[in-house]
Amino acid sequence: DGGITQSPKYLFRKEGQNVTLSCEQNLNHDAMYWYRQDPGQGLRLIYYSQIVNDFQKGDIAEGYSVSREKKESFPLTVTSAQKNPTAFYLCASSIGLSVNTGELFFGEGSRLTVL
Amino acid sequence: AQKITQTQPGMFVQEKEAVTLDCTYDTSDQSYGLFWYKQPSSGEMIFLIYQGSYDEQNATEGRYSLNFQKARKSANLVISASQLGDSAMYFCAMTKDTGGFKTIFGAGTRLFVKA
Repeated sequence: DGGITQSPKYLFRKEGQNVTLSCEQNLNHDAMYWYRQDPGQGLRLIYYSQIVNDFQKGDIAEGYSVSREKKESFPLTVTSAQKNPTAFYLCASSIGLSVNTGELFFGEGSRLTVL
Repeated sequence: AQKITQTQPGMFVQEKEAVTLDCTYDTSDQSYGLFWYKQPSSGEMIFLIYQGSYDEQNATEGRYSLNFQKARKSANLVISASQLGDSAMYFCAMTKDTGGFKTIFGAGTRLFVKA
């Protein structure tokens, strides 16, 4: 079945460590996104990518990095510079780049906890 | 700046009754898309319904309908014949075609369906 796969589902990190969250899609979508969700809040955009080898910062990019070397893959690295990384992270993709094709397809999320 | 406001942190509805979840938005753009997503306790975000800013008819998808009032900048979600499985968080979202495609989310409304 087509969809988005995020891994790991749960991740624990010590302070000062970088961690990478995986996101793979087999929907042949051009655009991919990373969102952060804190308890009781909506989603905030971290980074997004419209094509391979290109990505843009979202609203809360500080302390995060991404790459887009393949169309199917958009990994997110949470660096030690991120002051409050404990959160639920959602990866998404969409078919196109206009408001009329903007439905987002989401993975099941990765829950990161900093010990 | 764009903004999505959901004023109802929590809502209760009796099974088989209809419920309206409120959403207002703020944008100066003429072209934008409005979406509703459902997030069950599992965490995955599920697309429910879409309304384009130029669509004159209110969108409907099965038991979901979107009450779009452009002049008031509101996009309320109506769920008819509520079911126990409708208990979840519901997020209103808006997308604008900036040439850098982004979706912003409201803070969400938690819906509880009572048997």
